Amino acid sequence: QQQVRQSPQSLTVWEGETAILNCSYENSAFDYFPWYQQFPGEGPALLISILSVSNKKEDGRFTIFFNKREKKLSLHIADSQPGDSATYFCAASEQQGTGSKLSFGKGAKLTVSP
Amino acid sequence: GALVYQYPRRTICKSGTSMRMECQAVGFQATSVAWYRQSPQKTFELIALSTVNSAIKYEQNFTQEKFPISHPNLSFSSMTVLNAYLEDRGLYLCGAYGGDRYEQYFGPGTRLTVL
Repeated sequence: QQQVRQSPQSLTVWEGETAILNCSYENSAFDYFPWYQQFPGEGPALLISILSVSNKKEDGRFTIFFNKREKKLSLHIADSQPGDSATYFCAASEQQGTGSKLSFGKGAKLTVSP
Repeated sequence: GALVYQYPRRTICKSGTSMRMECQAVGFQATSVAWYRQSPQKTFELIALSTVNSAIKYEQNFTQEKFPISHPNLSFSSMTVLNAYLEDRGLYLCGAYGGDRYEQYFGPGTRLTVL
C-alpha cells in the first residue's frame, strides 16, 4: 500500500506567494524525510530533507515543518518563482545505515504563475 | 559536489530484446545504489538495492533474472532489462548513497521505450 501520501496532487500559486505541499506517512519507523524536485525530462534533485528529531528545517526559501505525532510534514516554498514550477516528491526511509530504501509519494505538480 | 550520471539517456528496443543501462557516481563513493523505475504517471517503483560487498536485494515483482545488476566498485553500477516488453517502459533512475551520509542522489535517468 502507499506508505507516503501527498496532497494536493497539483497546486497553482501566483509569483511571490507561499506554496504549501503536504505529506503524510504510515510507517512510524520512518525517520528521514527528503523532498525532491523534478523538472520534465530530468531526474529528481534533492531539495531539502529533515530527520524526525527535528520539527523544522529551513534552507533559503524552502522550509519543512514536521509533526511526528501526527505523522505529517509539509514543504513551504516562500516567495514562489516561476522557476519553482516542477513536480515535488516527498519521500521517507528508515535510517539503518547507508542504503536504506526510500518510499516516495506520488508527487505534487506545482505551477507558479507570473 | 555529488553528481550521478546515467547513460544512455534514452533508448529504444524491440520487444523481447535486452538493454543495459549504466550509473556512475562522481565526487563521492556510492556504497549503495538503488534502482527505480518511474512510470509515466510519475510513480516510483523500487527495483533493487545494491550495496557493495553485500547481496543485492530485489523488491517484490522484480527479479535478478529479469533485471540483473552489477555494482563492482564504489563509483559504478549497471542494470540490464532482459526480454523487455511494453510494461517495462519508463524512466529508470539510479539513486546513489555515499559513505556515512544518508542523502540519496539521483541521476537524470534512462528512458526506455519498447516497440
